[in-house]
Amino acid sequence: AQTVTQSQPEMSVQEAETVTLSCTYDTSENNYYLFWYKQPPSRQMILVIRQEAYKQQNATENRFSVNFQKAAKSFSLKISDSQLGDTAMYFCALVSYSGGGADGLTFGKGTHLIIQP
Amino acid sequence: DGGITQSPKYLFRKEGQNVTLSCEQNLNHDAMYWYRQDPGQGLRLIYYSQIVNDFQKGDIAEGYSVSREKKESFPLTVTSAQKNPTAFYLCASSSHRGSGQPQHFGDGTRLSIL
Repeated sequence: AQTVTQSQPEMSVQEAETVTLSCTYDTSENNYYLFWYKQPPSRQMILVIRQEAYKQQNATENRFSVNFQKAAKSFSLKISDSQLGDTAMYFCALVSYSGGGADGLTFGKGTHLIIQP
Repeated sequence: DGGITQSPKYLFRKEGQNVTLSCEQNLNHDAMYWYRQDPGQGLRLIYYSQIVNDFQKGDIAEGYSVSREKKESFPLTVTSAQKNPTAFYLCASSSHRGSGQPQHFGDGTRLSIL
C-alpha cells in the first residue's frame, strides 16, 4: 500500500512571504508521479504542479516550485511571493503505475494555508 | 469548453435508499475515478475505470457500485449498504494510462442523509 503524509494541518503567513508545505510519501513502485493540488473554498480541485519520479530536476510553475528528494521520499511545495488568492487547502498526491495502469491518486490529509493581508 | 460535469450539486438520501451520482466528461479521457472527501480529510479512492466496461475497486468501495458503459460516463451508486454516506464526492478523469497525466476534477456532489 502507498501512503502520503502531510504533517502540517494549518499554516499562516503574511502576504508576499514565502511558505513551504511539507509532504512525505511511501510507495514500492519505481514508476510514479507526484502532484500538488489546491482546493479553495469553492471546493474545486486545481492542479498546482506535477513531478515525475524519474526526473531529478525539480518542477516549477511560476511562483510554485517543489523540492523533490527521492531517496528521502519527500516532496515539499514552495510558494514564493504569496498572494491572498493562495489561501486554500493544499493536497499532496501520488499515483503509481504497476502493470501499465494507474491505480488512482493517493492523497495526504491536506494543509490549510492562510495568507494574511 | 471541455470538462467534467457532476450532477446534482446537492443530494439527499433517505434511510434504505440507493442514490446515483452522475459524472460526464467530454475530454475524451480513457480513465475515470470517484473519490470521497470527508471534512478535514483528503480524498479517498472509491472506484476507478481505465476503459469502457471495466472498473476496479479503490480503497473504500464497500457500499458503492459503478458502471462504465460509455467512455464519457461513470455513474456512482451509493447503496443502502453504505451506512455513512454523508460526504463530498468528486469525479475525475485522465488521459493515457501510464503517462502520469494529471487528473481533472468535476465540481463535486455533496450528499447528505435526511
